[in-house]
Amino acid sequence: DPKIIQKPKYLVAVTGSEKILICEQYLGHNAMYWYRQSAKKPLEFMFSYSYQKLMDNQTASSRFQPQSSKKNHLDLQITALKPDDSATYFCASSQGQGNSGNTLYFGEGSRLIVV
Amino acid sequence: GDSVTQTEGLVTLTEGLPVMLNCTYQSTYSPFLFWYVQHLNEAPKLLLKSFTDNKRPEHQGFHATLHKSSSSFHLQKSSAQLSDSALYYCALSDRGQGGSAKLIFGEGTKLTVSS
Repeated sequence: DPKIIQKPKYLVAVTGSEKILICEQYLGHNAMYWYRQSAKKPLEFMFSYSYQKLMDNQTASSRFQPQSSKKNHLDLQITALKPDDSATYFCASSQGQGNSGNTLYFGEGSRLIVV
Repeated sequence: GDSVTQTEGLVTLTEGLPVMLNCTYQSTYSPFLFWYVQHLNEAPKLLLKSFTDNKRPEHQGFHATLHKSSSSFHLQKSSAQLSDSALYYCALSDRGQGGSAKLIFGEGTKLTVSS
């Protein structure tokens, strides 16, 4: 059974619309992340959260907003969608934080196509 | 900033031949290094992780040696199998901001093994 659940697996959105990508992890991890994978930039880091607090943000656009309602949840809200946002968005988690070589575990991804 | 370089974007091999995928990195400290493997339409999964005590990690016939002097963590396997066909990412752990850590991934190497 997958320990990191992402919903939806696939979605098609219209340019200018808003979507929320859901992520829940059942590994008991304290840190959660969002990565994006596209043809242009494979596995690009977006955000990291630790104990529901934003720790790092490498996303230039404010159209991307992570939301953490629970320790094991990290959703990603994307507003004013553009075709360039088309990508697979991976949620990941890890135990602990800091430079201790924590392994990242990935969900199966949400594939977004913006038309 | 920290970075990972994978020089080969695509490697094509015949089954039974040895595999070597290159990975070099730049970092201002001594990070952990990782290899992740991603099969088609699946999530990236951990393949190997470097040790702090210079041991050589091995998994599924793959191994990698961390050479700090040359900042390299090349992935090797003595005999390629058809099932090894996948996308391979080298990554390093970054200190991140606020004490959190994230992984920085290379561009990835697509390995195709044919019979």
